[in-house]
Amino acid sequence: ETGVTQSPTHLIKTRGQQVTLRCSSQSGHNTVSWYQQALGQGPQFIFQYYREEENGRGNFPPRFSGLQFPNYSSELNVNALELDDSALYLCASSLPGDGVETQYFGPGTRLLVL
Amino acid sequence: GESVGLHLPTLSVQEGDNSIINCAYSNSASDYFIWYKQESGKGPQFIIDIRSNMDKRQGQRVTVLLNKTVKHLSLQIAATQPGDSAVYFCAEKGGGSNYKLTFGKGTLLTVNP
Repeated sequence: ETGVTQSPTHLIKTRGQQVTLRCSSQSGHNTVSWYQQALGQGPQFIFQYYREEENGRGNFPPRFSGLQFPNYSSELNVNALELDDSALYLCASSLPGDGVETQYFGPGTRLLVL
Repeated sequence: GESVGLHLPTLSVQEGDNSIINCAYSNSASDYFIWYKQESGKGPQFIIDIRSNMDKRQGQRVTVLLNKTVKHLSLQIAATQPGDSAVYFCAEKGGGSNYKLTFGKGTLLTVNP
């Protein structure tokens, strides 16, 4: 176990709805990254939060947004859900330092958009 | 653009054999590489990492080799066990991006008893 937890584990939404996914990072880790993993694919980077600010973003539209809280937990919000948003959403926590940043992943939230 | 790819999408081995999973990357500026194992229904699990200033690193039953000349990375698993059955991903970081990992599609390893 990595100590990274995510909730909920599974979620079903309909197209056009909004969803909020949550992540609690490993103790002491101040950085949280979010990834989208479509079925049969590798994870794709969405964005990263460091000390409550967005620290980098992948090729995802603005309807994907996030927050990080003072306790380093994080939320991923997706507005106007589309069918293609169906995927496993992973968060990973890390503690940057020394040019190496090993990211530890949570179990993911499986989102199905109907 | 940068990409990380795997040579073989599937690999089937007998229990006790050694497994080798390969990965090619295209970004010559990549400076850090990680291998992850992902079992069905779970998130990726860290296996081993290597910096670009190294060409080999060993862990428990696993070895990662890095060949920067041909931009190739491999994961060797010794005495493969049924519990090693999973999808294996290599991921890279660097080349101007110090915050995101770029993953390949993965290799499915099946260990036959």
